[in-house]
Amino acid sequence: EIVLTQSPGTLSLSPGERATLSCRASQSFRSTYLAWYQQKPGQAPRLLIYDASSRATGIPDRFSGSGSGTDFTLTISGLEPEDFAVYYCQQYGSSPPITFGQGTRLEIK
Amino acid sequence: ELQLLESGGGLVQPGGSLRLSCAASGFTLSSYAMNWVRQAPGMGLEWVSSIRAGIGTTYYADSVKGRFTVSRDSAENTLYLQMNSLRADDTAVYYCAKGRGGWSTPGNRYFDSWGRGTLVTVSA
Repeated sequence: EIVLTQSPGTLSLSPGERATLSCRASQSFRSTYLAWYQQKPGQAPRLLIYDASSRATGIPDRFSGSGSGTDFTLTISGLEPEDFAVYYCQQYGSSPPITFGQGTRLEIK
Repeated sequence: ELQLLESGGGLVQPGGSLRLSCAASGFTLSSYAMNWVRQAPGMGLEWVSSIRAGIGTTYYADSVKGRFTVSRDSAENTLYLQMNSLRADDTAVYYCAKGRGGWSTPGNRYFDSWGRGTLVTVSA
């Protein structure tokens, strides 16, 4: 089973700043089959990025994903107030099982 | 408009059973891989189970294997999760999520739509 480790656990930034979230896999998996999800309190997760770097429908271009192998990054350039949430990475290249990272909480500084 | 609506959650005693439902609208459920994901209170996301499009092959996390069963009813366009021998650590919000594809291609196994979830509490 591939274990995903996200860092940092909590990221404190101000609106307008750039956020860089990391997701590291315990072993390399097939291709770039990694997704990122955003979850706000009391809501279901929402797909942001799939295949490591492709934005889902309706996702603003301030969200971007990159990486391959074992190291992946979600970047949010120019934070908006609505971007403060918890972010999860997910690998689906070596499944089952599908696995998620433990999450990064992005909070307002 | 695509919609997923979970139901069936509630309070159940340890060792008890519960069946969750996920009613789909706006698409044909059996044409896509469908998934259950849970989230314990204050915790992260955990994949629970998937059912492949078409032939309906099922997959489970080790933590629920042998206790949970995923199924679907094409006529009702509804996904189910039968949960038996429930334990306290099964307490969570359970989400159903639609796969991007049917499962045969690994690159389509991410989740592009989610329901709002249903809370299952296992407690005496």
